[in-house]
Amino acid sequence: DAGVTQSPTHLIKTRGQQVTLRCSPKSGHDTVSWYQQALGQGPQFIFQYYEEEERQRGNFPDRFSGHQFPNYSSELNVNALLLGDSALYLCASSLPFASGSGYTFGSGTRLTVV
Amino acid sequence: DAKTTQPPSMDCAEGRAANLPCNHSTISGNEYVYWYRQIHSQGPQYIIHGLKNNETNEMASLIITEDRKSSTLILPHATLRDTAVYYCIVKTGQGNLIFGKGTKLSVKP
Repeated sequence: DAGVTQSPTHLIKTRGQQVTLRCSPKSGHDTVSWYQQALGQGPQFIFQYYEEEERQRGNFPDRFSGHQFPNYSSELNVNALLLGDSALYLCASSLPFASGSGYTFGSGTRLTVV
Repeated sequence: DAKTTQPPSMDCAEGRAANLPCNHSTISGNEYVYWYRQIHSQGPQYIIHGLKNNETNEMASLIITEDRKSSTLILPHATLRDTAVYYCIVKTGQGNLIFGKGTKLSVKP
């Protein structure tokens, strides 16, 4: 049973560019959450998608946007990249309204902005 | 969701029990205690959770004090592969996971 798959694993972008990260959820899961993890910090919640709509959002600017497709996969888009956007971006899948034990995380995409 | 306090780092000898504390003095009656860990270069992994009673599974044990203001995650026989950052999270049954900085556990030979 495949877990959460994220692509690419590593990415280098230039300040001001745009980036798209991808996530395929665990089989049977239909809810996708995105987290940003800066070096030495815990993951910070960006937003969650369910039924192709953004259901909850953390304290992140509008430069961060997302999409969920009918097959439950998801994309995270970041526009006008800043040096501070350099981080590990994690995707977690779950069932809707899952308890705290029901999240499966991918290994993340390491984004470096230069 | 209640705030948690964890020590930034701990060491443990291989084969010994690792006891990781977490304070959550503002926890409310309907909030659970969850533990996740993050091994280097991987995403967080669920370990265990509890509400009032002590819990045990194949990975660890969770001891929650009677007043529920603190808890301890116990890895009974730590191995080098248990070296990771351990996160204690307090939340209601639904809703997103809110991570702090966690405790960096180093298991040494």
